[in-house]
Amino acid sequence: QSVLTQPPSASGTPGQRVTISCSGSSSNIGSNAVNWYQHLPGTAPTLLISSNDQRPSGVPDRFSGSKSGTSASLAISGLQSEDEADYYCAAWDDSLNAVLFGGGTKLTVL
Amino acid sequence: EVQLVESGGGLVQPGGSLRLSCAASGVTFSNYWMHWVRQAPGKGLVWVSRINTDGGSTAYADSVRGRFTISRDNAKNTLYLQMSSLRAEDTAVYYCARDSPSVGIDYWGQGSLVTVSS
Repeated sequence: QSVLTQPPSASGTPGQRVTISCSGSSSNIGSNAVNWYQHLPGTAPTLLISSNDQRPSGVPDRFSGSKSGTSASLAISGLQSEDEADYYCAAWDDSLNAVLFGGGTKLTVL
Repeated sequence: EVQLVESGGGLVQPGGSLRLSCAASGVTFSNYWMHWVRQAPGKGLVWVSRINTDGGSTAYADSVRGRFTISRDNAKNTLYLQMSSLRAEDTAVYYCARDSPSVGIDYWGQGSLVTVSS
C-alpha cells in the first residue's frame, strides 16, 4: 500500500479539464517537493511537473501542478487523446529516508 | 541527449542472484545521484534504492535492504544493482533514473525485466 494516495482512475472527454489528487503526510508532501510523472506502458516514465508546480521544458502548459499542506494536485486542461496514460506523484519521505510514489492514476480519455 | 540504458535482466530461480547495469551517456554521470525504481506486473512504480555521487551514501527500501546492493563506477558511467536472495515478489521491470539537484528524478531508462520463477 502506497503512503501517497492517488485515485486509481480518472477520465474525461477531449477538451475537458481533469484533476488528479495526491495525499500524503507531514514527513513527505508536507515537507518536501512533489514531482509528477507520466507513464505509458512499455516506455520510460517522463517528468511532467517538478518542485510542486514547475514544468520542464517541452511539457505543454496544459499540465499544471499545485501543493497545499500535505496534498498535491495535477491538472490537465484541454484534454487530448494522447494524454491517456498512468500518472504518478512522488516525494521524498524524511521518516522513511526513501522516495515515495503514489499508487498511480490511470487516465482514460473517453 | 541524456540516455540511460539498463541491461542484465532475465529469468532467475528463487534464491538466486542477478546484477543489473545502467549505462549513462550524454550526461556527466559523476555529478548526479542515481536511483533504481521497479514496477511489478500490473502494479505501480516503487522506489528501490539510491546512491549519491561518489557512492559513499546509499539508501534502500525496506523490502530489499540486506538483499540488494546499489553501486556505481563513475569511470565507466555505469550504475549497478546487485540482487541476491531473489523472491517471486521481486519480479518487475527495473528502471534506473537520474536525480537532479532541486528537481529530483528527472530522467529514466527504458527498464530491464527481471523474472524470478522456478
